[in-house]
Amino acid sequence: NAGVTQTPKFQVLKTGQSMTLQCAQDMNHEYMSWYRQDPGMGLRLIHYSVGAGITDQGEVPNGYNVSRSTTEDFPLRLLSAAPSQTSVYFCASSYSWTVQNEQFFGPGTRLTVL
Amino acid sequence: QQQVKQSPQSLIVQKGGISIINCAYENTAFDYFPWYQQFPGKGPALLIAIRPDVSEKKEGRFTISFNKSAKQFSLHIMDSQPGDSATYFCAASEVDGGATNKLIFGTGTLLAVQP
Repeated sequence: NAGVTQTPKFQVLKTGQSMTLQCAQDMNHEYMSWYRQDPGMGLRLIHYSVGAGITDQGEVPNGYNVSRSTTEDFPLRLLSAAPSQTSVYFCASSYSWTVQNEQFFGPGTRLTVL
Repeated sequence: QQQVKQSPQSLIVQKGGISIINCAYENTAFDYFPWYQQFPGKGPALLIAIRPDVSEKKEGRFTISFNKSAKQFSLHIMDSQPGDSATYFCAASEVDGGATNKLIFGTGTLLAVQP
């Protein structure tokens, strides 16, 4: 099992550009989520999904879109990048959304918006 | 508003010493408290977790102490080793009728264990 994979590892954007951060898991997990990690602020939930076709907002959803067309993939789209979106982004998954259980994190994508 | 407050921000411990990281929360509906460990350039990984029906959980050198009345929980690392040097995050979640895996994280503690 590859676990949770994320691409790209690094990305530099200019203000106003759009891009998609890719996330995939091969563990047949129901629950997937996106977090951003900023110095001194821990990890904050952006969006999450409890299954294919179902997504919902987390703490900091503004400026981001998600979709979940398959169990395996959960891409995060930045519609019009802003410097405030400079961060490290982590995708995570867990086998169930109805029971609190371990979340497995990907290696992260470091995004810089100029 | 930080729902889970973590301290200290950074910690330096000598090899063989005890590392203690503290967290406090306000939401009494929280009922699951995991700790995650993160090495540089990696994603966080679950270290140990506790539910409020017990006051302590131990796994090897790592122990969570939980005080429900004070709404506090802490991570103790016994016999700290240089390999324990990492950032540690406490977190909390509740069963809210929807997705139960919406973790609220603390701000993290950077632990350095000196040889």
